Amino acid sequence: GAVVSQHPSRVICKSGTSVKIECRSLDFQATTMFWYRQFPKQSLMLMATSNEGSKATYEQGVEKDKFLINHASLTLSTLTVTSAHPEDSSFYICSASRSSYGYTFGSGTRLTVV
Amino acid sequence: DAKTTQPNSMESNEEEPVHLPCNHSTISGTDYIHWYRQLPSQGPEYVIHGLTSNVNNRMASLAIAEDRKSSTLILHRATLRDAAVYYCILRDNQGGKLIFGQGTELSVKP
Repeated sequence: GAVVSQHPSRVICKSGTSVKIECRSLDFQATTMFWYRQFPKQSLMLMATSNEGSKATYEQGVEKDKFLINHASLTLSTLTVTSAHPEDSSFYICSASRSSYGYTFGSGTRLTVV
Repeated sequence: DAKTTQPNSMESNEEEPVHLPCNHSTISGTDYIHWYRQLPSQGPEYVIHGLTSNVNNRMASLAIAEDRKSSTLILHRATLRDAAVYYCILRDNQGGKLIFGQGTELSVKP
């Protein structure tokens, strides 16, 4: 079945530094990937749609200069949290669709900014 | 995006069936009904989807009302591993993003 790998699963960084999260589709090509953020006890919030070979589309209220998305190949999208602050601490999840019906999600990245 | 409404939480006993309801009164003719579930500290997992007819797979069954304004996810025999947040989401047949609502937190008692 379709597998999406997300790395790292956990990361702790200092305030002011940048963190990169990778999302890979292991056994299929994904022209579109999606990035979500989830705070404790809340639902997933869509941050942006990552398009291979073009600029990402950000949801309203998401700072594109803070959350840099690169989708350079059909199997890899990256999310970089720049100048991270404690309020950016969250659970970040990516997903990709192999068909027009179902999505596969990564296992998530727990980011803690100290 | 059409909205769905689900109860915040439900309880079930182990090995009993569970019926998780979802209302989607503004569903359009091209919207598919998707269900995903999320276990603690994991990404969501696909459960099932349908358009008009009831659907069955190894995980669950999906019963869709005739007017399509509501649906029910059925877990035939709940296990402790089924404790999760279940999300009912509408998605059009052109693909595109999934917008998550609050979902139903299912707890399963031994």
